[in-house]
Parts: sequence; structure tokens; C-alpha cells
Amino acid sequence: DAGITQSPRHKVTETGTPVTLRCHQTENHRYMYWYRQDPGHGLRLIHYSYGVKDTDKGEVSDGYSVSRSKTEDFLLTLESATSSQTSVYFCAARAFEAGNEQFFGPGTRLTVL
Amino acid sequence: DQQVKQNSPSLSVQEGRISILNCDYTNSMFDYFLWYKKYPAEGPTFLISISSIKDKNEDGRFTVFLNKSAKHLSLHIVPSQPGDSAVYFCAGLYSGAGSYQLTFGKGTKLSVIP
Repeated sequence: DAGITQSPRHKVTETGTPVTLRCHQTENHRYMYWYRQDPGHGLRLIHYSYGVKDTDKGEVSDGYSVSRSKTEDFLLTLESATSSQTSVYFCAARAFEAGNEQFFGPGTRLTVL
Repeated sequence: DQQVKQNSPSLSVQEGRISILNCDYTNSMFDYFLWYKKYPAEGPTFLISISSIKDKNEDGRFTVFLNKSAKHLSLHIVPSQPGDSAVYFCAGLYSGAGSYQLTFGKGTKLSVIP
């Protein structure tokens, strides 16, 4: 699992509230990614980071922001959660010098009521 | 525009037989293709990859074939085992601009029947 943990693992929140999901890795990977998985859509990239304080948008970035102040932590924030953001969120990491695979965390199931 | 397509949502195979999972892509800029396996309530795990300049890569029971002219790849699992039952995702990797982004298909659910 390349030492990737996500917290919380499950969360239920209400529309309009802010939510922050945390991804923590222990392998000093340079690249980190946030995906969401929805039925009929597979995994879609939200945001990614290529180093501390270096982030960029993915395919479905609207309504999400990220921050990476330390190599080991990558935070995903929903400023004002909507029901369309109900999903399973996966964090992934990739070492700069390694193969092309990304290693995934166990996921966070978020329900927005 | 769906750049990676897995047109079969599900596949059932008898234990011991071959499983063939298919994937089509439209983006010619992909450098590598990867297959991931996912069990319920877990994160995807990397299975096998292939460079866009190769046509075959083998790792134990798993072989991936790439037909670049047809923009098609397939994952062969031989022999199939009940523990192979999972959702399989095909992904294309684009390393341009140093982002190493993966673009995933929607997945194929494989059921191996004992």
C-alpha cells in the first residue's frame, strides 16, 4: 500500500458545510493525486501535486481545492459540499524515480445530505 | 470525450479458464498503459503495465497485449482463480508536462466461478 492512509474513512455531512479529507504517506513520494470514484464513471482525477506547494487541476476540479504544505500530507477541501460530491475519494502517490504505477490509499466514503 | 473505454461492464469466467479483459483508447499521447485491480471497500492495486512501444508484457498469470494501430489493449489472466474476482480498471498514462496523469476506464467486473 506504499504507506498511504486516508482520514476519515467515512463521513456524512450536510449540504453547504466545508469538508477536508486528508491523505498521508510515509514513503516520501513526490507526486500525489486525488480521485473520485462514481458508478458508471470509473476513477476521475480531481487535483494533483508534483511537490510541496505545487498543485494543479485535474479533470473534475470544480468545487474542490487542495493544499500540500508538507511532502507527506495532501489535503482535499470541499469549501461548500453539495450532494453531487457524494462519492468515494481515493488518494494516490507516485515516486519520482520509480515505475509508472501510482499507489492508492484505502479511500474515504463521503455522503453529502 | 472518453479517452479510455472498457465496453464490457462485467465478465463471468469458469475457474481455470482464460479471462480476457479489453480496453480501447483514443489518446495517442499515452506513454504507458496500466491495469489495476480493485476489491470492494479497498483502494485499487497495480497489476501490470505496458509501454506504448511494446506489444506484450507478461507477469506470471497476467499478460497484457497492446495493438497500437487498433488503439486496443487486453489483459489475459490464465488460469483464472476465484480470488481474481474484482473490478479491473485500464488506465492510460500521459507523462507530458511532468504530471504523470492516469486516465481510467470505467472498469470491468470479473467474476470467476468455482
